[in-house]
Amino acid sequence: SQTIHQWPATLVQPVGSPLSLECTVEGTSNPNLYWYRQAAGRGLQLLFYSVGIGQISSEVPQNLSASRPQDRQFILSSKKLLLSDSGFYLCAWSLSGGYSNQPQHFGDGTRLSIL
Amino acid sequence: QKEVEQDPGPLSVPEGAIVSLNCTYSNSAFQYFMWYRQYSRKGPELLMYTYSSGNKEDGRFTAQVDKSSKYISLFIRDSQPSDSATYLCAMPPSGGYNKLIFGAGTRLAVHP
Repeated sequence: SQTIHQWPATLVQPVGSPLSLECTVEGTSNPNLYWYRQAAGRGLQLLFYSVGIGQISSEVPQNLSASRPQDRQFILSSKKLLLSDSGFYLCAWSLSGGYSNQPQHFGDGTRLSIL
Repeated sequence: QKEVEQDPGPLSVPEGAIVSLNCTYSNSAFQYFMWYRQYSRKGPELLMYTYSSGNKEDGRFTAQVDKSSKYISLFIRDSQPSDSATYLCAMPPSGGYNKLIFGAGTRLAVHP
């Protein structure tokens, strides 16, 4: 069966510091991968998605970037964090290969607080 | 108008009640519909996945789709305190890359 791992679960960072959040998927090959941010009491905002190694699409302009160095590894980064980057970050995967109606499966998220 | 609308609640019900959670959508091309449950400080987990119109039942949960009204529902029978969570509807737009459009989520509290 497939599993998704996200870490760390909680992170407190000062403004201006760098960020690296990692997500890995097990039990499937060539998944579509996604990064979301969820503000308190709000819906899910898609930040990035990837359909393959090195292929990243950005949904909203922002202070963050994403990379996919390996098939099942997805990294969310920032060079200098802003206060507005605080939130709950979720990684998700779905089947690829032309299946455009597949559900996404989420990790347990990273709660990021910027001080 | 948002593509997917969902009442944020909160919805508070006594244990054992039947709960009805709803979403409306604007695009008649949507064909697949999902419901996710999200516990506090956790990621959403897929609860129900349905195609086109009709009902789908899984234990105490029933997903209903009315494409003519562009309205989907999730019913929870015999609700339990463990059902207390935020419920999000989601649907894939037509087109590639398997993006999902999520509702804002309805917060449900089931009290003993």
